[in-house]
Amino acid sequence: SQTIHQWPATLVQPVGSPLSLECTVEGTSNPNLYWYRQAAGRGLQLLFYSVGIGQISSEVPQNLSASRPQDRQFILSSKKLLLSDSGFYLCAWSVFGQGRLFFGSGTQLSVL
Amino acid sequence: DAKTTQPPSMDCAEGRAANLPCNHSTISGNEYVYWYRQIHSQGPQYIIHGLKNNETNEMASLIITEDRKSSTLILPHATLRDTAVYYCIARQAGKSTFGDGTTLTVKP
Repeated sequence: SQTIHQWPATLVQPVGSPLSLECTVEGTSNPNLYWYRQAAGRGLQLLFYSVGIGQISSEVPQNLSASRPQDRQFILSSKKLLLSDSGFYLCAWSVFGQGRLFFGSGTQLSVL
Repeated sequence: DAKTTQPPSMDCAEGRAANLPCNHSTISGNEYVYWYRQIHSQGPQYIIHGLKNNETNEMASLIITEDRKSSTLILPHATLRDTAVYYCIARQAGKSTFGDGTTLTVKP
């Protein structure tokens, strides 16, 4: 069966520090991968979307970047965090060409 | 993805059916309607999806109008654990964005 792993669950970082969040998927090949961010009490905003290794689509201009070094690995990064980067970050995957999304458990990031 | 519109909040009595509406008047012919729910500080959980026929699974029923411009998610016997934010999205495949959803509060 397929599983998605996302870590860490919580993270507190100072302003100006770097960020690296990792997400891995098991049990499937060539998945579509997604990074979402959720502000408190709001819906999910799509940040990045990938259909394959090295293929990243950025949906909103921001202080973050994403990379897909392996088929089932998706990394969200920042060189210098801003206060506005705080939020709940969710990784998700879907079967290529299909619509159902499978979400990770999320990372609560607090930038202080 | 077609834009979807949902009421921001709803209440339901425990044991009663919860009917959550969603408007997707600009949906295209190949877009499915998906429903997810999110319990606080967790990742959204898939509930059900459909194209044009009504669908039922162990969690819920999905009623899609004949013109496909709206749908209703039905939780037949709501429990306190069904208190969550429910998202309706219309998509085929690829990227999609979730709106603010409906916060369903099940009350004893």
